[in-house]
Amino acid sequence: SQQGEEDPQALSIQEGENATMNCSYKTSINNLQWYRQNSGRGLVHLILIRSNEREKHSGRLRVTLDTSKKSSSLLITASRAADTASYFCATASSGTYKYIFGTGTRLKVLA
Amino acid sequence: EAEVAQSPRYKITEKSQAVAFWCDPISGHATLYWYRQILGQGPELLVQFQDESVVDDSQLPKDRFSAERLKGVDSTLKIQPAELGDSAMYLCASSLPGASYNEQFFGPGTRLTVL
Repeated sequence: SQQGEEDPQALSIQEGENATMNCSYKTSINNLQWYRQNSGRGLVHLILIRSNEREKHSGRLRVTLDTSKKSSSLLITASRAADTASYFCATASSGTYKYIFGTGTRLKVLA
Repeated sequence: EAEVAQSPRYKITEKSQAVAFWCDPISGHATLYWYRQILGQGPELLVQFQDESVVDDSQLPKDRFSAERLKGVDSTLKIQPAELGDSAMYLCASSLPGASYNEQFFGPGTRLTVL
């Protein structure tokens, strides 16, 4: 079962533009993580935000978390062709160590 | 840089055959995960180990799937017999203990095709 759902399912932008993708989830969580997956490869961890945090930055990445709406957003600024990948959110429900991944957003950055 | 190793990278088999996948986590990572990822979807947890003990295998189809981590280091996931619906990417990941606040490091995966 998928806990989180990313929106949009697919996104195509020009290099240099910003990309925003959203994740909604269903239950109370300990934390939320974002991962990137290049085609046919394993996932790479991008950023973790805890349930008591509202915003976090890492390089060109900005993540927000709204626990009242059970949603998170990932913003990639000044996108590059190398950012082309699928992006997944993963949530660990309160009281568990089990991560459940969302359905993913497929981002394509055009050079 | 330490990485999670998986083999084979690709496996083609016929239905009803047995297949096995191997994973070697990053040294010192006590927590090991096996995920299945169907094309176009997110990874789904099959089994989670803490050292050699199974912590969660609620989504593992136990009639045909088995997983072991005998010495608490590397791990093997087996499917017997394979079915057409098992075609997917099988991902292994590892993390430090207290996994709730630790990132998971993923291997490159094994792409299984069942004919």
